[in-house]
Amino acid sequence: KAGVTQTPRYLIKTRGQQVTLSCSPISGHRSVSWYQQTPGQGLQFLFEYFSETQRNKGNFPGRFSGRQFSNSRSEMNVSTLELGDSALYLCASSLVGGGLNNEQFFGPGTRLTVL
Amino acid sequence: GQNIDQPTEMTATEGAIVQINCTYQTSGFNGLFWYQQHAGEAPTFLSYNVLDGLEEKGRFSSFLSRSKGYSYLLLKELQMKDSASYLCAVLRNFNKFYFGSGTKLNVKP
Repeated sequence: KAGVTQTPRYLIKTRGQQVTLSCSPISGHRSVSWYQQTPGQGLQFLFEYFSETQRNKGNFPGRFSGRQFSNSRSEMNVSTLELGDSALYLCASSLVGGGLNNEQFFGPGTRLTVL
Repeated sequence: GQNIDQPTEMTATEGAIVQINCTYQTSGFNGLFWYQQHAGEAPTFLSYNVLDGLEEKGRFSSFLSRSKGYSYLLLKELQMKDSASYLCAVLRNFNKFYFGSGTKLNVKP
């Protein structure tokens, strides 16, 4: 069974630009969560999608958005990039979310650098 | 946040035992997870506790006390490959994970 895949793996953008990151969950998994990981803040929850609906949202500004398609693939978008958005963006999938007997499997991440 | 605290860094010797602590304060608690993350790689699942007590899985064990808001990860017979960051995560309201900043473990020969 293929794992969680994320594209691209590395990305360099400049301030003010926008970026779209993609995540393909494990086949059969319907819950996709996005996290931002930085050395100073650790792993922070962005949002979670289940059956094409955003079910949970973290404390990030509206510049961060996402969506999920009918095949459970998910994208996240960051508009008007700031230097502080430089981070590793991780996607995690699970069967239905919820944690109980539904561990999250993480993708390799997309390393975003904003210059 | 959910006030999840764990030590920033620890050092231990190959073959020894190390305990990584995690304390948390949250409502709607539905379980505590431990993940291992090697540098430059994605986190991988290690253990899950929802009831009080010890869960053992090979060289790794995890303990939870819900009344104290406390968990620890115990690593026995340390190996060099155990050098990694260990992330404590609290599941809240069944579908929202809050992660600690992670504990970087350095295993020395």
